[in-house]
Amino acid sequence: AQTVTQSQPEMSVQEAETVTLSCTYDTSESDYYLFWYKQPPSRQMILVIRQEAYKQQNATENRFSVNFQKAAKSFSLKISDSQLGDAAMYFCAYRRTNYGGSQGNLIFGKGTKLSVKP
Amino acid sequence: DVKVTQSSRYLVKRTGEKVFLECVQDMDHENMFWYRQDPGLGLRLIYFSYDVKMKEKGDIPEGYSVSREKKERFSLILESASTNQTSMYLCASSLYTAMNTEAFFGQGTRLTVV
Repeated sequence: AQTVTQSQPEMSVQEAETVTLSCTYDTSESDYYLFWYKQPPSRQMILVIRQEAYKQQNATENRFSVNFQKAAKSFSLKISDSQLGDAAMYFCAYRRTNYGGSQGNLIFGKGTKLSVKP
Repeated sequence: DVKVTQSSRYLVKRTGEKVFLECVQDMDHENMFWYRQDPGLGLRLIYFSYDVKMKEKGDIPEGYSVSREKKERFSLILESASTNQTSMYLCASSLYTAMNTEAFFGQGTRLTVV
């Protein structure tokens, strides 16, 4: 079974600085999808960024980028120029590509709580 | 604007009550999910549905059941609420496809069982 591990329960960053959130996963699959979701205090989960395992190029979305190391099964999220609105819980998630039944389910890590200091 | 709407943000119920949590999506998604979120445990899948009247158990189905009579609506049922079911419940939906599609989430229901 696939597992996702986020080893940092809490992180803190100064406004305008850069922070990296760690995520590792375990799978025997060769193709899959990885996601970072953000959950602000309002509780609405929002997709931050996604990565297809077959793509070598790291995904980027404005100030958010990932460092995808497939051999190491690592998928870290880098937030540049941190803003107060980035304060939230961040969840790393894994999904299989064989889309049948519950295989479409996202498997989540336990989350990292990010605080942004003004 | 895509939407997944959960019927309540906060709910307080008594032990032994039958509890219904409702979720509606307006995106014509085939897949719908119910997750439970607890501090330090992340999100855990309770039940999943990929079509009307179809359901599959997730990782923690005990004490729960679900109903999907219409494509847009997915209900989570606590047959006899217990205090250990006090938690945050999140509903999500996504397209039934092998493409790299994201799941969309509702705003969550914080259930307290007293």
